[in-house]
Amino acid sequence: TQLLEQSPQFLSIQEGENLTVYCNSSSVFSSLQWYRQEPGEGPVLLVTVVTGGEVKKLKRLTFQFGDARKDSSLHITAAQPGDTGLYLCAGETGTYKYIFGTGTRLKVLA
Amino acid sequence: DAGVIQSPRHEVTEMGQEVTLRCKPISGHNSLFWYRQTMMRGLELLIYFNNNVPIDDSGMPEDRFSAKMPNASFSTLKIQPSEPRDSAVYFCASSLWDRAGYEQYFGPGTRLTVT
Repeated sequence: TQLLEQSPQFLSIQEGENLTVYCNSSSVFSSLQWYRQEPGEGPVLLVTVVTGGEVKKLKRLTFQFGDARKDSSLHITAAQPGDTGLYLCAGETGTYKYIFGTGTRLKVLA
Repeated sequence: DAGVIQSPRHEVTEMGQEVTLRCKPISGHNSLFWYRQTMMRGLELLIYFNNNVPIDDSGMPEDRFSAKMPNASFSTLKIQPSEPRDSAVYFCASSLWDRAGYEQYFGPGTRLTVT
């Protein structure tokens, strides 16, 4: 069974702090995506990474795909209350099917 | 443009009753996914369709669950009979499945409570 473990599970920080969320697996993925989900809504795609070692930036968010395509990280610089939400990674298993990670619930306090 | 539409948004039913969840994907998308989200198990893929054909239903928990996609603009997920452990938020997502790394667009979900 393929598993995607995310850490930490919960994170509560002050506005302006930096943070990193990790997504780890023993499986190799064709691509990996990061989503953010807010209460009462469905997940919304933030980024897709495809190549091992790839780094993508989305304003204050930096995403990296591991060289071996088994893990990924999400770094947020100068977090803001609007970043609050559930962050989910999702790995593509090679059959156009994604499995989702366990999730990191982030709360940014003003 | 309208996103993925799900109905109802909330459903409360008694154990043993039949429950039908509905989904209208984004027009032009060729793939549709049904997920279930709980605190304990996270977001789990139940079944997905490509061009209205079920491709992988290995995530469907039991025979009590069934899904259909009679045309490109409508899908249902049925639970019969429902049990308290089926309580969860059920999401439908659609995508244009044409390459690796495609984006899934999620609906707002249906919160199901089985008492």
